[in-house]
Amino acid sequence: NAGVMQNPRHLVRRRGQEARLRCSPMKGHSHVYWYRQLPEEGLKFMVYLQKENIIDESGMPKERFSAEFPKEGPSILRIQQVVRGDSAAYFCASSLLGQGDRTDTQYFGPGTRLTVL
Amino acid sequence: GNSVTQMEGPVTLSEEAFLTINCTYTATGYPSLFWYVQYPGEGLQLLLKATKADDKGSNKGFEATYRKETTSFHLEKGSVQVSDSAVYFCALSASGSARQLTFGSGTQLTVLP
Repeated sequence: NAGVMQNPRHLVRRRGQEARLRCSPMKGHSHVYWYRQLPEEGLKFMVYLQKENIIDESGMPKERFSAEFPKEGPSILRIQQVVRGDSAAYFCASSLLGQGDRTDTQYFGPGTRLTVL
Repeated sequence: GNSVTQMEGPVTLSEEAFLTINCTYTATGYPSLFWYVQYPGEGLQLLLKATKADDKGSNKGFEATYRKETTSFHLEKGSVQVSDSAVYFCALSASGSARQLTFGSGTQLTVLP
């Protein structure tokens, strides 16, 4: 049973370019979460999506960041016009049951490490 | 709001020593509590969890008990190994409409042979 897949594992962009990060949830999971980990810090929640819906984007920066989880294909986190401060590890997690279930568990992918030059 | 406070690191122990990493939380309602472990260059792996007061989560010799009266979820292991060297994160998932995890800042553990 494959786990959460993320690609690319490492991504280098120059300031002003776009970064697209992909996440394929575990088989059978329809809930996806994105987190950002800045150097020497814990993970910070960004956005929670279900298929074709954004449920909670309270952790997303208001500008340049967007996320989607289409009916078919992986979830995408998109960062436009990247700046040096966007350099971080971006982790995706997926869960089976989502909101409303206390026993639900999020399983994490290996992360994408974004470096902005 | 919800928050998790974790024992600051780094923590360095000798092999077979006893480990405690403290974690306390602030949350509305009755959160679920988790410990995740991150090995160098990798993503987070769920270590253990507890979903209600007095539950004990356990895995690979690690244990943590959900203490509502002290709002704590301390991680313990009786005898650490070199392979336990990693960063440990305490996290909570609060009841409500969203299932986002709130993480502590992480504790770096190094176990020396």
